[in-house]
Amino acid sequence: GESVGLHLPTLSVQEGDNSIINCAYSNSASDYFIWYKQESGKGPQFIIDIRSNMDKRQGQRVTVLLNKTVKHLSLQIAATQPGDSAVYFCAENRAPGGSYIPTFGRGTSLIVHP
Amino acid sequence: GAGVSQSPSNKVTEKGKDVELRCDPISGHTALYWYRQSLGQGLEFLIYFQGNSAPDKSGLPSDRFSAERTGGSVSTLTIQRTQQEDSAVYLCASSLGQLGTQYFGPGTRLLVL
Repeated sequence: GESVGLHLPTLSVQEGDNSIINCAYSNSASDYFIWYKQESGKGPQFIIDIRSNMDKRQGQRVTVLLNKTVKHLSLQIAATQPGDSAVYFCAENRAPGGSYIPTFGRGTSLIVHP
Repeated sequence: GAGVSQSPSNKVTEKGKDVELRCDPISGHTALYWYRQSLGQGLEFLIYFQGNSAPDKSGLPSDRFSAERTGGSVSTLTIQRTQQEDSAVYLCASSLGQLGTQYFGPGTRLLVL
């Protein structure tokens, strides 16, 4: 059988739909959050970030929402395209001892059907 | 301009051998990170260099792992006496400062037989 560890949470959407990818973070002291996109065989690519003094930030076709009360982050992709198919990671940054070491979530696989 | 580059792109080695993985960050970036990514998993932090400060080695999984950064630019991650569980993709990232956007290289895929 397959290892549980190989199965990423998966979101399947139709081209043109809006996608929402969720992430729960662990540390209430985290003050900077980033979303990355990783296509197969490539390194992660920065999408959008948000600081803890904000609850919403918009980019091109993407919006990040931050709810510090429940330690939840979401990435909304408008009019999803096949090229958006990838694994999406959230990362939280904290500064123990002054150095910012990001902690990455496990990732969500987005599959966009044409 | 050039992004972060890593070499080799793929490395197959035998258990017990040492390997060296190289990262060339973006010119002028003072912060450099090494991560490990196992199949279907997120990124595991290994080590962080910031300017001339002592590196943060808190993520290195064992004393078989070490890294150095020469002249504040190129970095080498060394794994001694490799084990099969070291098989993973090793990713390097650089940023302008400690809170700057991290730019990742394509990774080195290491397979230990």
